[in-house]
Amino acid sequence: AQKVTQAQTEISVVEKEDVTLDCVYETRDTTYYLFWYKQPPSGELVFLIRRNSFDEQNEISGRYSWNFQKSTSSFNFTITASQVVDSAVYFCALTGSGNTGKLIFGQGTTLQVKP
Amino acid sequence: SQTIHQWPATLVQPVGSPLSLECTVEGTSNPNLYWYRQAAGRGLQLLFYSVGIGQISSEVPQNLSASRPQDRQFILSSKKLLLSDSGFYLCAWNRPPSYEQYFGPGTRLTVT
Repeated sequence: AQKVTQAQTEISVVEKEDVTLDCVYETRDTTYYLFWYKQPPSGELVFLIRRNSFDEQNEISGRYSWNFQKSTSSFNFTITASQVVDSAVYFCALTGSGNTGKLIFGQGTTLQVKP
Repeated sequence: SQTIHQWPATLVQPVGSPLSLECTVEGTSNPNLYWYRQAAGRGLQLLFYSVGIGQISSEVPQNLSASRPQDRQFILSSKKLLLSDSGFYLCAWNRPPSYEQYFGPGTRLTVT
């Protein structure tokens, strides 16, 4: 069975600090896809990134970076120099290569960035 | 560009009343469509998904049903609401072979 674990329920940091959100996954599929979504207070989920299982190259997008390690089944998300606007709930998700595209979500990490 | 709409944005309904939530997608064709529920502001639970018109798969046995009368329209219904149906309902779409899903603004349902 597929499973995503986000062990950090809530994280609180002060603006400009770096913060890492952890994500550990379980799957028996050889091909799979990992995602991060942001849910601001408005409620809508915003897609941030997709990573394919056959591509372990880390990715950086502005202040955001993602570290994908198959050896530890982890897909961690780091925000550098956090800002108040980064305050949100962040979800990690997983899907296999079937055509249904069903996402398995972690429980989410609430990030609070204080000014 | 593609957009996804959901309505209503908020809804307060008494126990035992019917429910109909609507989701429509614009700017794409033959999307996969999904209904999720988020209870207590936390994790998302997949309720239904559809890979085509009239094709509905249920993930969790419950008081709800879904229908897809048109290619880009997905409807979530109930004949009689329960208190436990309260939550935040999100519709999403993707377009195979792309796997990322894009979500609508959601409907906040309170059953009283």
